[in-house]
Amino acid sequence: GNSVTQMEGPVTLSEEAFLTINCTYTATGYPSLFWYVQYPGEGLQLLLKATKADDKGSNKGFEATYRKETTSFHLEKGSVQVSDSAVYFCASPNDYKLSFGAGTTVTVRA
Amino acid sequence: DTAVSQTPKYLVTQMGNDKSIKCEQNLGHDTMYWYKQDSKKFLKIMFSYNNKELIINETVPNRFSPKSPDKAHLNLHINSLELGDSAVYFCASSQDQTAIGTYEQYFGPGTRLTVT
Repeated sequence: GNSVTQMEGPVTLSEEAFLTINCTYTATGYPSLFWYVQYPGEGLQLLLKATKADDKGSNKGFEATYRKETTSFHLEKGSVQVSDSAVYFCASPNDYKLSFGAGTTVTVRA
Repeated sequence: DTAVSQTPKYLVTQMGNDKSIKCEQNLGHDTMYWYKQDSKKFLKIMFSYNNKELIINETVPNRFSPKSPDKAHLNLHINSLELGDSAVYFCASSQDQTAIGTYEQYFGPGTRLTVT
């Protein structure tokens, strides 16, 4: 089945730094790919998604491009804020459920 | 209005007890899920219901029993609680399970279960 592998954290950055979280996928075909974010004390929420190869998902200054050549869906943000401190999960559909990556904890310092 | 709600938010109990966690969604979705998140934030699906029918039952001990009285509710009952059951449990819903690649999942705020 489909699966994703996500870079492990934790990641600590200063405000306005550039953030990249790597995610690679293994899949039959080209499934949709997702990034979910979990803010402290909350449930997960969808951050962005891409439904086909070469699509770019974007939201809240974050971007991720579905690259079939490298089977990747890396998450990027050009200038992080303290409010971006959260756990980020890459995910792909797998047999009527979502397969989540291990999660990457990001802490942004003022 | 809260889309996916769970009660209680915190649950502290002793080993051997039986407890329930309730989940309700007001989004009109057909599919609901239970996830377990461990202390390292790893997220594991436990169950999925589509229109009150059990669709996914991962390798979860049979001490865990989900119940879906209607499409908007999915409760989780846990018998004979063990220390290893301590975790955060999330309920989620989505519009359609068969088109899971299209529809996002909406998560509740979580229930932090501590077994002592």
